[in-house]
Amino acid sequence: EVVLTQSPGTLSLSPGEGAILSCRASEDVQYKDLAWYQMKRGQAPRLLIFGGSVRARGIPDKFSGSGSGTDFTLIINEVQVEDSATYYCQQYGSTPRVAFGQGTRLEI
Amino acid sequence: QVQLVESGGGLVHPGGSLRLSCVGSGFNFGDYYMAWVREAPGRGLEWVAAMNPSGSIITYGDSVKGRFTISRDNSQSSLFLDMTDLKVDDTAIYYCAWEDGRRLVHGWGQGVRVIVSS
Repeated sequence: EVVLTQSPGTLSLSPGEGAILSCRASEDVQYKDLAWYQMKRGQAPRLLIFGGSVRARGIPDKFSGSGSGTDFTLIINEVQVEDSATYYCQQYGSTPRVAFGQGTRLEI
Repeated sequence: QVQLVESGGGLVHPGGSLRLSCVGSGFNFGDYYMAWVREAPGRGLEWVAAMNPSGSIITYGDSVKGRFTISRDNSQSSLFLDMTDLKVDDTAIYYCAWEDGRRLVHGWGQGVRVIVSS
């Protein structure tokens, strides 16, 4: 069973800075089947990135994903207060097991 | 636009039961895999259950197997989660979601809070 480890646990930044969020898998993620979600309290979560690097519909290009194998990264350029949220990575795919990381809390 | 609205959450004692409902709109509900995902304080996201469009394929997370039952009524664009023998660890925000059959969640509801406490 794949285990996803996200770091850091909490990231505190000032508006305008860049955020780098990491997601490390315990084994290779096949076909780059790695997604990132943004979760804000009281709001519907949203899919940001799938396939490791493909932005979902309507997601601004300030959000970008990269990586392969066991190491994946979500970069948020010029963060603003509205980017404050918890970000989760997820391995999906054809296997029956679903793995989520434990989340990175981003505070702006 | 796609909208998912959950209801049925609340406070329940350990060992109790609860039924969550989700109504979808803005898309052809009967064509999509649907799922329940929960976010528990301090424990992150957990896949709870999922069902294919016809209801013939159902999967459950290990922690809820035998206690939770997912079902759907495509004629009412509705998804349900019957939760029995609830435990304190089931305390979470439960999200209704539509996924692509490979557990990639494309759309989420706003969530409904379930608190299991004595």
